[in-house]
Amino acid sequence: QVQLQESGPGLVKPSETLSLTCTVSGGSISSFYWIWIRQPPGKGLEWIGSIYYSGSANYNPSFKSRVTISVDTSRNEFSLKLSSVTAADTAVFFCARGSFMGGLIDYWGQGALVAVSS
Amino acid sequence: DIQMTQSPSSLSASVGDRVTITCQASQDISKYLNWHQQKPGKAPKLLIYDTSNLETGVPSRFRGSGSGTEFTFTISSLQPEDIGTYYCQQYDNLPLTFGGGTKVEIK
Repeated sequence: QVQLQESGPGLVKPSETLSLTCTVSGGSISSFYWIWIRQPPGKGLEWIGSIYYSGSANYNPSFKSRVTISVDTSRNEFSLKLSSVTAADTAVFFCARGSFMGGLIDYWGQGALVAVSS
Repeated sequence: DIQMTQSPSSLSASVGDRVTITCQASQDISKYLNWHQQKPGKAPKLLIYDTSNLETGVPSRFRGSGSGTEFTFTISSLQPEDIGTYYCQQYDNLPLTFGGGTKVEIK
């Protein structure tokens, strides 16, 4: 059974960079797309971006140039960096696995709450 | 971006009731529509993919139908464990987008 686990700081200061890592267990990171999605408190789901195991990434234009997703196949991990954060970036961040060009999201991590506050 | 309009935003129904949720896409997305269930405090879970295909292990009381721009999600007989929020999600085009969610409660 594939499992995903997010890890990283739960509190980030405004203007700094949010960094999260997702560790994949129970399966290889190869041959799938790896996704980050966020959910602000009390709100809906927003796709941040995805990366193929080969390293090719796609991002939501709403994040402009603030986001970078990377993958480390040797560690079975992928990561998210979101720069210049503000309070509006406070959210639960989910990592997930996708197939079929990354659109069919079939496994989700438990989510990690990241608050942006000074 | 493809906008996904989901309705209703919330509903309250009795155990055993038939529950229907609709999702409308702002443009034709063919069959590329998934439904996810999120129980309180938990990660979402894929229930239905490609409009009508039940994910392995998902009870048969959950059904999906539709095509193009109009989609429907149905719980044929609502159970207490079905409480949560349901989201539609399109993957015809990037960025992937989700409906606003439907919160299902037991009356």
